[in-house]
Amino acid sequence: DAKTTQPNSMESNEEEPVHLPCNHSTISGTDYIHWYRQLPSQGPEYVIHGLTSNVNNRMASLAIAEDRKSSTLILHRATLRDAAVYYCILRASGTGTASKLTFGTGTRLQVTL
Amino acid sequence: DTAVSQTPKYLVTQMGNDKSIKCEQNLGHDTMYWYKQDSKKFLKIMFSYNNKELIINETVPNRFSPKSPDKAHLNLHINSLELGDSAVYFCASSLYPATGELFFGEGSRLTVL
Repeated sequence: DAKTTQPNSMESNEEEPVHLPCNHSTISGTDYIHWYRQLPSQGPEYVIHGLTSNVNNRMASLAIAEDRKSSTLILHRATLRDAAVYYCILRASGTGTASKLTFGTGTRLQVTL
Repeated sequence: DTAVSQTPKYLVTQMGNDKSIKCEQNLGHDTMYWYKQDSKKFLKIMFSYNNKELIINETVPNRFSPKSPDKAHLNLHINSLELGDSAVYFCASSLYPATGELFFGEGSRLTVL
């Protein structure tokens, strides 16, 4: 599995935007970039995913570099409820092929008042 | 209704015992997974089933035996429990085995004394 590199931790003030970076220099052409987050004492939760183009949903935006070797998860206005570990994961995709989500160590986001 | 539910949430047992964790999903998904999160918070996939058929089997001791009686259920049975089995076990499901988001349960914390 291609690897991702994320900062161990980041801090943000509440109601400010947060940009969570992820490097994936060995990404292959069929790898999707997935982001999950894990709130304290809960299971991981899907945030967003993309292949080449930037993606937006109600939770976040995903900005993907043109060469796809890095991406950034953007939380537009962080709240205390966004404090979690954020995982950037590459997932190989192929029709009918079992595909694993391999979690790394993630970025622990702290949000303060 | 909880989409992916696991029971029990907490399980404390002695070394050498046999225990089971049950998982049910009401999302109509075809694929289910078991993940293990150890004390260092690393999340690792253990097994995946697609329509009751085993499709991913990571390097897991054969004391761990998953069983899928139907595509909505994936149970995990552990024989001869060891101290190192203490962890949080997460069940997850997805519509397809190779694409789409995973929905995780809230986890079952197993403590082996």
